[in-house]
Amino acid sequence: GAGVSQTPSNKVTEKGKYVELRCDPISGHTALYWYRQSLGQGPEFLIYFQGTGAADDSGLPNDRFFAVRPEGSVSTLKIQRTERGDSAVYLCASSPGGGTSGGFGRKETQYFGPGTRLLVL
Amino acid sequence: TQLLEQSPQFLSIQEGENLTVYCNSSSVFSSLQWYRQEPGEGPVLLVTVVTGGEVKKLKRLTFQFGDARKDSSLHITAAQPGDTGLYLCAGGYSTLTFGKGTMLLVSP
Repeated sequence: GAGVSQTPSNKVTEKGKYVELRCDPISGHTALYWYRQSLGQGPEFLIYFQGTGAADDSGLPNDRFFAVRPEGSVSTLKIQRTERGDSAVYLCASSPGGGTSGGFGRKETQYFGPGTRLLVL
Repeated sequence: TQLLEQSPQFLSIQEGENLTVYCNSSSVFSSLQWYRQEPGEGPVLLVTVVTGGEVKKLKRLTFQFGDARKDSSLHITAAQPGDTGLYLCAGGYSTLTFGKGTMLLVSP
């Protein structure tokens, strides 16, 4: 079946502009995650959805960042007033279920998309 | 905040050599995952270790979880050019904490 897809694959924008990044998770996966990966770094957690609700948004760096998942499937990460420091690869991942079972099993395995490369000039 | 330190940051070797990369933390993790990431792609899960002292093998890759569940290692035997990539360790359940990764380059 299809994996996690992300659009656009690349986005170039100017400082101060607004951008939206889209994630299509694997069909049937209830959990969806956004990460940000800067050059030379590992992915950094941003936000986690279980269904339509944000179960954990503690990784969002500031109020310029916002994410939605209105129907429990596709998610959009929105960045307002972009800054040069926002340039990074934004990764989306999905898993069959949430990670609250107390043990790591197949439900918690996260499958990553290829990412959106955002460049803010 | 739980941090994961990976070493070395970069490793360049010849085909056929063996290597070990490390993932260390001052915190106890209930599970650790190892991922490989190739340029332009997202990380792909290789293995999950959950029990202290656990050893898992995946073809030429051997993963070990420390007894205290604070560290892990990945050993590759007879590396091949196809092993080239960024190796990341990560801990946690729903919200993963990643290390910075080890960039491995295997030359023919």
